[in-house]
Amino acid sequence: AQSVTQLDSQVPVFEEAPVELRCNYSSSVSVYLFWYVQYPNQGLQLLLKYLSGSTLVKGINGFEAEFNKSQTSFHLRKPSVHISDTAEYFCAVVQAGTALIFGKGTTLSVSS
Amino acid sequence: NAGVTQTPKFRVLKTGQSMTLLCAQDMNHEYMYWYRQDPGMGLRLIHYSVGEGTTAKGEVPDGYNVSRLKKQNFLLGLESAAPSQTSVYFCASRPWTAGSYEQYFGPGTRLTVT
Repeated sequence: AQSVTQLDSQVPVFEEAPVELRCNYSSSVSVYLFWYVQYPNQGLQLLLKYLSGSTLVKGINGFEAEFNKSQTSFHLRKPSVHISDTAEYFCAVVQAGTALIFGKGTTLSVSS
Repeated sequence: NAGVTQTPKFRVLKTGQSMTLLCAQDMNHEYMYWYRQDPGMGLRLIHYSVGEGTTAKGEVPDGYNVSRLKKQNFLLGLESAAPSQTSVYFCASRPWTAGSYEQYFGPGTRLTVT
C-alpha cells in the first residue's frame, strides 16, 4: 500500500519569506501526487498535481512542487508567502487507481 | 453548478443515537468518497463508491455504513454514535475519466458525539 509522510507538522514563517513544505511517498511503479490546501473551516482545494511529464509542477497562488523519483519526494515551495497563505496543506498519493492516501498535514502559519 | 454539497453542516449527537450524512454532487461523477478528519491525523478514508449501487470499505470503516442508491448522492450512516466518531466529515467526488484522479471536496460536516 502507498503511504505519504509529511515531515513537518507545523511551519511558522514571516511574510514575504520563502517556504518549503516537505512530502515523501512510498515507492511504487506509477505515482500520482497531489497537494491540497485547507483554509480554516473550509473543505480541501487542489493546489497542484503531478501525473506525468515535467517534474516541476506549477499550481495556483504561486505554489510549485518538484517530483523527485530518486528521493521519493514531492516538496511544495513558494518563493514569497503572504498572510493569506496561512492554512493546512496536505500531500496525497493515489492508491490502486481509486483512492487518495493523505499525509497528516502541515500547518503553515504566516506572520507579519 | 453547486459542486459537492453536504448536509448538515453541524450536528451534535448523544452516544447511541443514529444519523445520516448526505453528500450530493451535480458533476455527474462516478466516484464518491467519505473521509473523516481528526487533528494530527490528516484525512482517512471511511468508505467509497465507484458507481451507483456499489460501495467499498476504506481505511476506517467500522461503525459506519453507506449507500449509493442514486449516482449523485452518497449517504453515510452512523447506527449507534460513539464519542470516538466526533470528527469533521468530508465528502468528495471525481470522474471516471482515465488518468484523472483529482477529487473535489465538499465543505464538511462537523459532528460532535457527547
